[in-house]
Parts: sequence; structure tokens; C-alpha cells
Amino acid sequence: EPEVTQTPSHQVTQMGQEVILRCVPISNHLYFYWYRQILGQKVEFLVSFYNNEISEKSEIFDDQFSVERPDGSNFTLKIRSTKLEDSAMYFCASSEAGASGSTDTQYFGPGTRLTVL
Amino acid sequence: QKEVEQNSGPLSVPEGAIASLNCTYSDRVSQSFFWYRQYSGKSPELIMSIYSNGDKEDGRFTAQLNKASQYVSLLIRDSQPSDSATYLCAVDSSASKIIFGSGTRLSIRP
Repeated sequence: EPEVTQTPSHQVTQMGQEVILRCVPISNHLYFYWYRQILGQKVEFLVSFYNNEISEKSEIFDDQFSVERPDGSNFTLKIRSTKLEDSAMYFCASSEAGASGSTDTQYFGPGTRLTVL
Repeated sequence: QKEVEQNSGPLSVPEGAIASLNCTYSDRVSQSFFWYRQYSGKSPELIMSIYSNGDKEDGRFTAQLNKASQYVSLLIRDSQPSDSATYLCAVDSSASKIIFGSGTRLSIRP
């Protein structure tokens, strides 16, 4: 069964460093997403991406964050200058294009645990 | 601010019984509703999606949607210890975004 994959599974970085989290969405999916989950809190939407551009982003997704689809398979989240409060699980998800404006089912990858020291 | 509300639990249910999980949402125009299961330290795993009023059954799971009451529920029949997890309700808030509730912790006791 096709699945979303993410690397690395765990990333430890120093505050102020740049990190890139990588995702390979399901191959025939056209919408891609990043979510984060701070320990003990709810899953929070960061950004959605379709047709090589951001469809929607949350207020969390400020200028420190960027997303890119550098080739036909990878989808990346970059955090330019990490802060302590960026420590969280970051989940990538993908879905087939929604029809008639409805949101199609999103399938999640296993996540990357980011620890900022 | 669009909201998805769930009772945080824990909800304790004996093995073999029916577990009932509830969720309310604030946005009347929402069209897509999802239940995900999340084990500790793992990613959300889709259990069911539902789009129309009424019941939708898949094995031991039944999702129920009532758009007039802005209410969606999940029933788990013949609960098993492996069903012990946090259950996340998610609702679309636009064509490209879903928002999650805080989740209900379910514990199945042998």
C-alpha cells in the first residue's frame, strides 16, 4: 500500500540553525501539507501546497518557514533559524485533488521529531 | 476562529463493549469529516471519512454525522485492547485545510 515517507525520523539542532525536513508524498497525490504537533498538544496545520505554490498557510507559518517541491517526488519544509519553541513532531501529509471544493482525505507520514537545543 | 471540540477523556471502556466518541465543530459550511487514530508518539492514521448525514459503517467502526447539530461521532464495537489510543476528529475548514480537535484518549480495559 502506498504511503507517505519522511526523513529524518529525528533531528536535533541548535537554536538559530537551519533545518530541512523531507517528505515523499504518495505518488499520484497532488496536494501536500505540513502539520506540527507540540508534545501533548493538538495537531496544527502549517501549510498546504498545490501546483507548485502555497494554497493556504496558518499564522504559525511565518517568514522563517518555507516549502519547496524540488523535484517530482520530494516535498520539503525549511525552518531558517530554529527557535526552542519549534521543537515538535512535524507531519507531512498528502491527498488526491479534492473535487467540488471539498477536502480529500489526507494521509500522514510517520513524522520527524525536531528537537531544538 | 473555527473550532473542533472533543472531550479529552480518558474514556475507559471494558473489552468487548462499545466505545462512543463525540466531536462538535463550529463551521456550518464544513463538508468533510474525518476520524484519525493516533498511538503515542506516532502519526495520525485515518480510520474513516464521512461526508453525508447519517451513518457510515466500516467493520467495527461506525461514523455518524449530523450537520444540523454540527456533530460527528465514532462508535467502536467489540472494543479491543489494541483500540486504546487517542482518537482525533478533523474537519475541513477550506478546500485545502483540515483542523483537528485535541483528541479523546480511549482506554480499553481487559
